[in-house]
Amino acid sequence: GQQLNQSPQSMFIQEGEDVSMNCTSSSIFNTWLWYKQDPGEGPVLLIALYKAGELTSNGRLTAQFGTTRKDSFLNISASIPSDVGIYFCAGQPRDDKIIFGKGTRLHILP
Amino acid sequence: NAGVTQTPKFRVLKTGQSMTLLCAQDMNHEYMYWYRQDPGMGLRLIHYSVGEGTTAKGEVPDGYNVSRLKKQNFLLGLESAAPSQTSVYFCASGLAGSLTIQYFGAGTRLSVL
Repeated sequence: GQQLNQSPQSMFIQEGEDVSMNCTSSSIFNTWLWYKQDPGEGPVLLIALYKAGELTSNGRLTAQFGTTRKDSFLNISASIPSDVGIYFCAGQPRDDKIIFGKGTRLHILP
Repeated sequence: NAGVTQTPKFRVLKTGQSMTLLCAQDMNHEYMYWYRQDPGMGLRLIHYSVGEGTTAKGEVPDGYNVSRLKKQNFLLGLESAAPSQTSVYFCASGLAGSLTIQYFGAGTRLSVL
């Protein structure tokens, strides 16, 4: 079946640094979503993107729907300790159920 | 403001035992989903439902059954648990007409010995 390639798998950064992660697909997607999962909790939706080229912000988070419709990016500016967790991208191919990436685990060093 | 509630939160089963996981949502959502999350595998869809009385298979349906007798509840059953079903199970719900925006419960950790 279709797969999303999410990278990096994990990141170790210093508090205050900016973070970038991305997802790519071999096929075109209609929708891209970014979720965050805190330890012991379910994923929570951060940003939803519906149009190629769309750039959307949610506080310190910014996500973009790639112009090829085969990729998406999430940036976090000035990271803080509560940003720790697993970030999942998810995409919806045409008329089909969403597919989740394998996640990027973010660690913040004191 | 409960949202999506999953019970139980933790369970340990022996191989061959059966159990049912319950998901309840109070947001009047049409769509409901069951996922499993395994290390390094992300979230994989087991079964889903687009309305009361209807269910459909997802990516990894084998060994599981589901029922949606009431709009607010979605049950996931394991008839004969296997160690390969050790996982964290998440339920989610969403509005009709959108297979995208989903609201997740806190998960059920299941261990099958």
